[in-house]
Amino acid sequence: KAGVTQTPRYLIKTRGQQVTLSCSPISGHRSVSWYQQTPGQGLQFLFEYFSETQRNKGNFPGRFSGRQFSNSRSEMNVSTLELGDSALYLCASSTIPGDGYTFGSGTRLTVV
Amino acid sequence: SQKIEQNSEALNIQEGKTATLTCNYTNYSPAYLQWYRQDPGRGPVFLLLIRENEKEKRKERLKVTFDTTLKQSLFHITASQPADSATYLCALLDSNYQLIWGAGTKLIIKP
Repeated sequence: KAGVTQTPRYLIKTRGQQVTLSCSPISGHRSVSWYQQTPGQGLQFLFEYFSETQRNKGNFPGRFSGRQFSNSRSEMNVSTLELGDSALYLCASSTIPGDGYTFGSGTRLTVV
Repeated sequence: SQKIEQNSEALNIQEGKTATLTCNYTNYSPAYLQWYRQDPGRGPVFLLLIRENEKEKRKERLKVTFDTTLKQSLFHITASQPADSATYLCALLDSNYQLIWGAGTKLIIKP
């Protein structure tokens, strides 16, 4: 079966711009989580959605937001980009929250 | 405070030997713990999940133990191979059903 698909794979944006990242989970997976990964901070939890509802949110500013659609696909948005937002953004899906997660290959965001 | 810790130093192991990685946690009572492998520039890959009432879980050359008294999980790779070289992450499920991640341990298997 198809894995978790994240688009785009790479992205370069300018400070102050906004960006939207997309994630298509494995078919049948209703839980989608987003993470930010940087070399110094490791995996930092952003938020988790289950059946279109945000279940948990990590300790990130309100510039980071997300949503999940009825087909379980999810998007995350970052507004007013800062240099420190440069990171690998990973999406993961599972059948239910907390179960073994399947990760996508990530979106590498560079803010210049 | 709540913490989950993995050895931040890289672990160098000779090919064929058993590699053992450690995951310690404090101030959590996780229902279960998961282990993942991550290669550079890629997303983590799920390996094993062990529940609080399980002492040990095996999958091929992998073995995970979970000691809720010591608040520790050990991850073993037997007959290690250079292809096992990667960063290994542990994650525990907190009371909000949110995964809390360790920083990972880099494993290097030398031929």
